[in-house]
Amino acid sequence: GAGVSQSPSNKVTEKGKDVELRCDPISGHTALYWYRQRLGQGLEFLIYFQGNSAPDKSGLPSDRFSAERTGESVSTLTIQRTQQEDSAVYLCASSLAVGVPANEQYFGPGTRLTVT
Amino acid sequence: KNEVEQSPQNLTAQEGEFITINCSYSVGISALHWLQQHPGGGIVSLFMLSSGKKKHGRLIATINIQEKHSSLHITASHPRDSAVYICAVPHYGGSQGNLIFGKGTKLSVKP
Repeated sequence: GAGVSQSPSNKVTEKGKDVELRCDPISGHTALYWYRQRLGQGLEFLIYFQGNSAPDKSGLPSDRFSAERTGESVSTLTIQRTQQEDSAVYLCASSLAVGVPANEQYFGPGTRLTVT
Repeated sequence: KNEVEQSPQNLTAQEGEFITINCSYSVGISALHWLQQHPGGGIVSLFMLSSGKKKHGRLIATINIQEKHSSLHITASHPRDSAVYICAVPHYGGSQGNLIFGKGTKLSVKP
């Protein structure tokens, strides 16, 4: 079946502009995660959605970052007033519901964001 | 919260060599992930394991829950194994929730 998809695959934007990144999780996966990887650095957690629960936003680096999820489907990560330090690969992952013994996360291909 | 340490940070091997990458974490977990990141940036989940050992082809992952340690082994390494290998565990322990990642081990296999 289809895996996690993300769009766009690449995005170049000017400093100060807003951007929206989209993630389509695997159908039936109730958990959805956003991570990012800045150049030369490791992966870092941004935000986590689980079903209808309030999202875990503890990884968002500033209030310029926000994310929404429609039900148990598509999620959009929005970065307002982009800065050059926002340049990174933004990765989305999804997994089955909490309650299974362990939830393997399936990663999308990522969106490479470049802020000029 | 969990902390993850990987070693080595960089590894260069000759084709055919046996490779071992190590991962240690600080908070008890029920599941640990090994991921592979190719030079293009795409990430693939290699293993999720809760105990003992798992094997996929030339890749073997082991975990010792009591010692909070996991290893990833590659037998008969090949240049196409060149990638960054990343260990990840649940940030707050257990088996659920967001992951925290090691800094990765960059493997380069020379022909």
